[in-house]
Amino acid sequence: QQQVKQSPQSLIVQKGGISIINCAYENTAFDYFPWYQQFPGKGPALLIAIRPDVSEKKEGRFTISFNKSAKQFSLHIMDSQPGDSATYFCAARAGAGSYQLTFGKGTKLSVIP
Amino acid sequence: DAGVTQSPTHLIKTRGQQVTLRCSPKSGHDTVSWYQQALGQGPQFIFQYYEEEERQRGNFPDRFSGHQFPNYSSELNVNALLLGDSALYLCASSLGRKGTQYFGPGTRLTVL
Repeated sequence: QQQVKQSPQSLIVQKGGISIINCAYENTAFDYFPWYQQFPGKGPALLIAIRPDVSEKKEGRFTISFNKSAKQFSLHIMDSQPGDSATYFCAARAGAGSYQLTFGKGTKLSVIP
Repeated sequence: DAGVTQSPTHLIKTRGQQVTLRCSPKSGHDTVSWYQQALGQGPQFIFQYYEEEERQRGNFPDRFSGHQFPNYSSELNVNALLLGDSALYLCASSLGRKGTQYFGPGTRLTVL
């Protein structure tokens, strides 16, 4: 019940295109959903996060869409650039005394010129 | 403003040995969480330290233990190393247990 399922496993997008990564969860106790970006040899860096009381959050070229009834959320990267090539992880955290992050398995994004 | 730092960067051990990894949290943070990231996988929660006590633990055996010091820095100890313990070990710090977690660069542990 703690699982977060992420798809696709890998994604190739042309420069200037839109990258879309999807995640689904089962645990309705999750109340915080961050996305992390990880470059090879580095630790994950927080990109953007959302709480279930909003359906969408935008920061620059990055947008999270959240569908509470479907228990799904997604990351959209607009105008994708080669510098966006990295592995992206969705995560979820339950409130009420459980503060661990549960991560998806990651999506390796390659943006080609 | 220094971010989360971890040492060492890389470590090679043999089966059965013990290892200690270190983490210094981001300035102003008081909570440290440890994660294990196997190759090609997402990070998995090991445990969280706050006020020098282990507050929450993931599904890891007792071979994994930790400590938090009064200056909020933390250590992760792994005893009786197994080949399967080879992974990137990540430390994340936050302000309070519920705060946003910021990750360090990790320690790459290889068990031969």
